[in-house]
Amino acid sequence: GAVVSQHPSWVICKSGTSVKIECRSLDFQATTMFWYRQFPKQSLMLMATSNEGSKATYEQGVEKDKFLINHASLTLSTLTVTSAHPEDSSFYICSASQEGREGRGETQYFGPGTRLLVL
Amino acid sequence: ILNVEQSPQSLHVQEGDSTNFTCSFPSSNFYALHWYRWETAKSPEALFVMTLNGDEKKKGRISATLNTKEGYSYLYIKGSQPEDSATYLCAFMDSSYKLIFGSGTRLLVRP
Repeated sequence: GAVVSQHPSWVICKSGTSVKIECRSLDFQATTMFWYRQFPKQSLMLMATSNEGSKATYEQGVEKDKFLINHASLTLSTLTVTSAHPEDSSFYICSASQEGREGRGETQYFGPGTRLLVL
Repeated sequence: ILNVEQSPQSLHVQEGDSTNFTCSFPSSNFYALHWYRWETAKSPEALFVMTLNGDEKKKGRISATLNTKEGYSYLYIKGSQPEDSATYLCAFMDSSYKLIFGSGTRLLVRP
């Protein structure tokens, strides 16, 4: 149980285009989904937290107009990198948690990630 | 800025060796400490969520301990196998439920 899929697994795009990444919880309803980014040799860094039906909360330094997050249902969240530039090239990974599933300190279940290369 | 440190960065051991790594985290505003196992090209897999000082958890040959007062957690692998080769991540969770990750310990177990 607790499987999260992410699509696409990798994408190459031209500078200036927009890229959409999907994150789905396959066998549970995710009250909260998280988006992380990882640059080479660095830790996973939280970009934003989204709850179903409400606006995402962005971490300091993450541009909300650049990284559009939509959490339209309890099983799907999307991250759109708008007007992508080479510096947006990175590894993006989502996770999902279910409130109350375990009580304190809910586990986050991760997708396999998406590698984005902007030319 | 909250800092989560993991050591060592990488570790090469022989099959059958036991090994351990360290995760240090802020001792204030603690809510939970998470351990994940991340194999290349796969999703990070949740190993443990630890919340209580002195907690010790075990999953097969892998176990973890937690000291929230001094801000560290140890992960132990007994009798390492090649399939244990992965990056082991720890993450500190404060009361905001956000995870702050360390850079991970990359383990390679040689047959």
